[in-house]
Amino acid sequence: QSALTQPASVSGSPGQSVSISCTGTSSDVGGYNYVSWYQQRPGKVPRLMIYEVSNRPSGISNRFSGSKSDNTASLTISGLQAEDEADYYCSSWTSSTTWVFGGGTKLTVL
Amino acid sequence: QVQVVQSGGGVVQPGGSLRLSCGASGFKFDNTAMHWVRQAPGKGLEWVTFISLDATTRYYIDSVKGRFTVSRDNSKNTVFLQMNSLRPEDTALYYCVKDRTDTWSFDYWGQGVLVTVSS
Repeated sequence: QSALTQPASVSGSPGQSVSISCTGTSSDVGGYNYVSWYQQRPGKVPRLMIYEVSNRPSGISNRFSGSKSDNTASLTISGLQAEDEADYYCSSWTSSTTWVFGGGTKLTVL
Repeated sequence: QVQVVQSGGGVVQPGGSLRLSCGASGFKFDNTAMHWVRQAPGKGLEWVTFISLDATTRYYIDSVKGRFTVSRDNSKNTVFLQMNSLRPEDTALYYCVKDRTDTWSFDYWGQGVLVTVSS
């Protein structure tokens, strides 16, 4: 099972919006609405930000949103804040009865 | 509140074995599936294994099949990861993670324990 494809890095200025893509195949991202996103700040444990493509757990800011089109899912962060600087990972359930993560995207707030 | 607390980890020689433990509280453990996810130093996340609430279903990533075994003791709210025939590429921070029921996602993560496979 190959890792999902994410850009290595993205950046944006405070207040702007950024999107992070996550590309898989019809056997994972495209085949199921079981894409989730995780934020990992340096030295910290990952945190669930989005589940089932576009749902936010309680306590997660509505500045974070998710979507999916065909084999590509996206995480959009609006009104960028300094505290959003972190690594972001997508994950999907797969037809091989496993889960797969993306390689991770480093978000820099300029 | 939900807590996932891990123990075990350490340095082991290639070919050796190690057992990780993970205690959980703050939720109905025997109604909840669990996972192990690992992260090699400076690298990304890699899902390793899943165990269903009653241990009747277990999934593994191909690279650990036949070497790692996940189990649980619902009477003690504990999940285990037995790792045999360890390889240098198994070196990573291992996280025990609570499954968010019916959403195929991971909602509470343990603090992680470091496993180093080196001679």
